[in-house]
Formats: sequence, structure tokens, C-alpha cells
Amino acid sequence: QVQLQESGPGLVKPSQTLSLTCTVSGGSISSGGHYWSWIRQHPGKGLEWIGYISHSGNTFYNPSLKSRVAISVDTSQNQFSLTLSSVTAADTAFYFCARDLVYYDSSGFYSHYFDYWGQGALVTVSS
Amino acid sequence: QSVLTQPPSVSGAPEQRVTISCTGSNSNIGAGYDVHWYQQLPGTAPKLLIYGNNNRPSGVPDRFSGSQSGTSASLAISGLQADDEADYYCQSYDSSLSGFYVFGSGTKVTVL
Repeated sequence: QVQLQESGPGLVKPSQTLSLTCTVSGGSISSGGHYWSWIRQHPGKGLEWIGYISHSGNTFYNPSLKSRVAISVDTSQNQFSLTLSSVTAADTAFYFCARDLVYYDSSGFYSHYFDYWGQGALVTVSS
Repeated sequence: QSVLTQPPSVSGAPEQRVTISCTGSNSNIGAGYDVHWYQQLPGTAPKLLIYGNNNRPSGVPDRFSGSQSGTSASLAISGLQADDEADYYCQSYDSSLSGFYVFGSGTKVTVL
């Protein structure tokens, strides 16, 4: 059973950089057919996809966050990480890491869905 | 504002059937991109409920079913139970703005 666990500071000051790590257990981050995503949820609000990384380091980000986001992977530690720069109070949210399963759908597109999720980490941006 | 629109809430009595709509556009659901559904119980992470429009992962009861038509998708819950009370989100891909993965606005299901 694949498990994911987020870790990192729960409090970040405005204008600084938010950093979180996701540790994967029960499966290898290098296995094919999967990407690894970060998703956030503002308190009491809906879900927002942040971006993904492949085991080889290919990344794809939400255009609305692209200028401030970086996702990296450390296959030796079976971890992937998120950094979000120049944070403001609007970045206060629960941050989830998730396994991102890719498949070729009937319409001829590559489709992604999230089959395993971490429990989430609340990050508060405040001075 | 979410690219995929869901009703904020739906409710039903135990054993009833409820449906949740997910309305998109020609840059996402209408373009043929698959729709997936998640259930989020209070205080927990989302859980995959339906993938590829109408497929259930192992362990998800067949009371949950999905469908897609045109620019919309739907999640149906039959035989509503108390522990179905949760938030439900649809998810797809949108080809605008260089493309990105999008979630619906979320629907709170209340069991009366």
C-alpha cells in the first residue's frame, strides 16, 4: 500500500519561501506510469492543483503559480519537494502531495488522476 | 472561480439517490478529457472515488457511479448512507492557458 507523508514548517513569514517535502513509502517513486503532484486547499475552500514532477525530473506547473513554484525529486530518498516563493497570506492552505497516475484515455489524450494522497500539511503565512 | 462548476450542496434522505453535476466547457470536459471524482470526509484528505468518467477503484461500493455527456459530468450516489456525508470534487484537464489540471468547486452532500 503506497503511503505519502508531507513534512515541513507550518508557519512561514510573508515574502519568504514555503518548502515542503513528501516522503513516499510502500512503492518506488521511480516506478513508471506515475507522476507526483502537489495540490493545495485553502481553508474551507476547494482544491487547486499546483504541479507535478516525473521520476526523471520533468515538471509541469499550474500557469497561475508557475512563476513562483518549483518541484524537485530525490529518488534516492524516495521523496519529492515543493518550494513556493514570495508567499503572502493568500498562500495559507493545506498542502497535499499525491501520486499522479497517467493513462491514455479513449479520446486519445493522456489523462491524470490522483490515486494516493498524503494527509495534508497546513502552512500558515503570517508574520 | 473554478473552471468546473458544481452545485454547492445537495441533500437526500437515507436510501435515496442523489446526483452531483460538474459543468465545464469545450476546453475541458467538452473536448473529451476524462473526468474523475473524489470524496473528502471532514478533516481528511480527498479519496479517489471514480476515475476515467465511470470506473471505480477497488473498494469503492457500486452505489457510486459516474457519467459524462457533452460539457458536463455527473456523479450519482444511490442508497445514500450517513457516512456518505462529505464534500465531493470532480477533476479534469483544461487545455486553455497552456493546459492544467482543474478541480470542480466542490459539493457538500448532506444526509437528512
